[in-house]
Formats: sequence, C-alpha cells, structure tokens
Amino acid sequence: QVQLVQSGAEVKRPGSSVKVSCRTSGGSFNLYDFSWVQETPGRGLVWMGGIVPNYGTSTTAKEFQGRVSFSADDSTTTVYLEVNPLKPEDTAIYYCACRVDTAFVAGFDLWGQGTQITVSS
Amino acid sequence: VLTQSPPALSLSPGERGTLSCRASHSIGRYLAWYQHKPGQAPRLLIRDASNRVNGIPAKFSGSGSGTDFTLTISDLEPEDSGVYYCQERSTWLFGPGTKVDI
Repeated sequence: QVQLVQSGAEVKRPGSSVKVSCRTSGGSFNLYDFSWVQETPGRGLVWMGGIVPNYGTSTTAKEFQGRVSFSADDSTTTVYLEVNPLKPEDTAIYYCACRVDTAFVAGFDLWGQGTQITVSS
Repeated sequence: VLTQSPPALSLSPGERGTLSCRASHSIGRYLAWYQHKPGQAPRLLIRDASNRVNGIPAKFSGSGSGTDFTLTISDLEPEDSGVYYCQERSTWLFGPGTKVDI
C-alpha cells in the first residue's frame, strides 16, 4: 500500500529556510505527480505547486513564486518543498499529496500526514 | 476562482446537508470534494464531480458540471463535522471551504 511519509515539525526564524521532505513508501514513484498544499487557520487549504519526478518539471502557484521550490530524488523516492526566505505568515501545516488512481482527473487521493512549520523570532 | 456556500452550516443528526461550489468559469466535471478535520490530512470524498472514492460511504454524493457543483451529505452524524473543500483540476485551486457542524 502506497504511503506518503513527511518529515517532522520545525521551528524556524524569519529569513531562514526550511526543506520539508515527503517519502513515498510502496507504489511507483515515477508514475505520480506530487503537489504541496499549505493549511493555515485563516486561509484553509492553498495549493502551492508541484513536481512531476518522471519529467523533472515543476509548477509553482503565483503567490509563492520566487520563494518556493520543489525537487525530487528518485533514489530515495522522496520529494521536497523548500521555502526561502521564511516569513511569519508561512507558519502553517504543509502537506504533500498526489494522485494514485489516474483513472480520474480531479482530486488528490493520497496525502502525507502533514508537517507543522512555525516561523517565529 | 471557486466560491463555496454557505460558509458555515449547523445541522442536527439525521438531517441532510447541501454544500455548493461555484466556479468562475466552466471546468467541465473536473471537480473534487474533500473532508478536513483538525489534526488530520484532508480526505478525498468525490472526484470528477460525482465519483465517490472507494471506501467513502454512500451518504456522500456529488453532482454538477460546468460552473455549479453540489455535495450532498445525507443522514448526518456528529463525525461528519469538519470543513469541506472543493478543488478544481486546471489550477488545483481550492475553494474557501464550508464548515459543517453537526
């Protein structure tokens, strides 16, 4: 059974960077396209962007362009989200998600457990 | 842009809830619905407007196409409480959510 396992919570200073990992356990890493979703109390769920490891291509939502990047490591079947520089408003839970059942177009049917990132001086 | 209504819904056990999601332009049937509870990852309920995900109870049903979509939850139970989001495929944008309290 495919699972997405994310790295643990972190506390960071404003202006620093953070790299969140999402490891695929089981399944076929190169068949999936991965997205990252931000959850905040005030805004709910926000799609940040994603990466297709098989093609090495990524897309970033406009509001995050310039501060967010995505990467993938085939050898460890892990995708990464990096935010740099961090702002206090980046305090949020970050989820990785993907579509496993590609018979359908809309919806992420597999999610990681979420990673709490707290940005505070 | 996705608009969800109502922003919040308070219902009693056994009642039926009707949640709306409206897109600013036609998105065909490429819409998904999620249930999100505190401390948990979002849970996909419906994909491509009306297809219930394996394991999701039949009490959850989706309908609509183009710009107007509906999620109906029948025979509501306290464990159905949470925030429900719609999401469209072309931009992966989420709606603002409807908070359901049973």
